[in-house]
Amino acid sequence: GAGVSQSPSNKVTEKGKDVELRCDPISGHTALYWYRQRLGQGLEFLIYFQGNSAPDKSGLPSDRFSAERTGESVSTLTIQRTQQEDSAVYLCASSPWGGGGPETQYFGPGTRLLVL
Amino acid sequence: AQSVAQPEDQVNVAEGNPLTVKCTYSVSGNPYLFWYVQYPNRGLQFLLKYITGDNLVKGSYGFEAEFNKSQTSFHLKKPSALVSDSALYFCAVRTGLFNDYKLSFGAGTTVTVRA
Repeated sequence: GAGVSQSPSNKVTEKGKDVELRCDPISGHTALYWYRQRLGQGLEFLIYFQGNSAPDKSGLPSDRFSAERTGESVSTLTIQRTQQEDSAVYLCASSPWGGGGPETQYFGPGTRLLVL
Repeated sequence: AQSVAQPEDQVNVAEGNPLTVKCTYSVSGNPYLFWYVQYPNRGLQFLLKYITGDNLVKGSYGFEAEFNKSQTSFHLKKPSALVSDSALYFCAVRTGLFNDYKLSFGAGTTVTVRA
């Protein structure tokens, strides 16, 4: 079946502009995660959605970052007034269920964001 | 707090030789441990995971990993490396607590297999 998809694959923007990144999880997966991967570093947790529960936003680095999810489908990560330090690869992952068991998270190909 | 350390930024081996990528972790209680691989310009691909039971876990592409509780390690191994195994490898950990979902990742180890 189809895996996690993300769009755009690459995004170049100017400092101060807003950007929207999209994630389509695997069909039927109720849990969705966003991570940030800076060059040469591991993945940094940003936000987690599980069904209709309130999302865990504890990893968002500033109030310029926000994310939404429509039911158990598409999610968008929005970065307002982008800064150069926001340049990174943004990865989305989904899993059948977020807790209660060791479900594997399946990752999308990522969106490479470059802020000039 | 949970954390993962991958002490080697890079591992270089010749094709056909054994490959080991090291990982140590710190977590409260029993861990769930994962290995992912990332090829250039692609997302992370799941390789294997340890939940409970046999300390030796077998995964995709001939990889295996050994859980060692006393050393808090989960090293990734492949008996005979291929050039196509050249990639970036990430170890990750989460607690085994119900409703815990956050994965903590290591910084990654770049593996280069030379022909």
